[in-house]
Amino acid sequence: AQSVAQPEDQVNVAEGNPLTVKCTYSVSGNPYLFWYVQYPNRGLQFLLKYITGDNLVKGSYGFEAEFNKSQTSFHLKKPSALVSDSALYFCAVRDKMEYGNKLVFGAGTILRVKS
Amino acid sequence: ETGVTQTPRHLVMGMTNKKSLKCEQHLGHNAMYWYKQSAKKPLELMFVYSLEERVENNSVPSRFSPECPNSSHLFLHLHTLQPEDSALYLCASSQGEADATNEKLFFGSGTQLSVL
Repeated sequence: AQSVAQPEDQVNVAEGNPLTVKCTYSVSGNPYLFWYVQYPNRGLQFLLKYITGDNLVKGSYGFEAEFNKSQTSFHLKKPSALVSDSALYFCAVRDKMEYGNKLVFGAGTILRVKS
Repeated sequence: ETGVTQTPRHLVMGMTNKKSLKCEQHLGHNAMYWYKQSAKKPLELMFVYSLEERVENNSVPSRFSPECPNSSHLFLHLHTLQPEDSALYLCASSQGEADATNEKLFFGSGTQLSVL
């Protein structure tokens, strides 16, 4: 079965510094990987996805993620963190389904950006 | 605004109550999902409906009963819940096409359920 792991419960970073939120995956076949963000009292919002092609994927709000096949990782990154980036971040992998997009999510990582 | 609306936002219920969660999507999608979000745990996929037909049921206890009367509406009927069922219940939708590689899920804001 497809799965992802987020090894950090929480990441703390100072505003203006680069941030990384880690994700590793375990899949059979080609991985289809996603990042979602959840702000307080809101549902999850799509940030970016990796399907195929360039290993560096750019997404919303200045985020990007680097796909690394040898390390089976898909870390989320941003060059300069903002306080408003503070939220819960989920990594996810697509599990094959006849119709629709079944996503298997990690446990989430809380990102706290301090001014 | 994601186009997926969930009501109520908060629900407190006793273990003997019957209540329902409602989800409505205005995106013209064909697939709808219920997820359970508990603190520090991965999101748990509960049910998936495609074209109003249930296509996935992930060993969810029978005290949770989904209903999808049409492609725009999804319900989760709750009956004799346990305190450990307290969680955020998220509804999502997607286009639901056969080749769904590029699909994105659109989530509602969730219903925060507390079972006393």
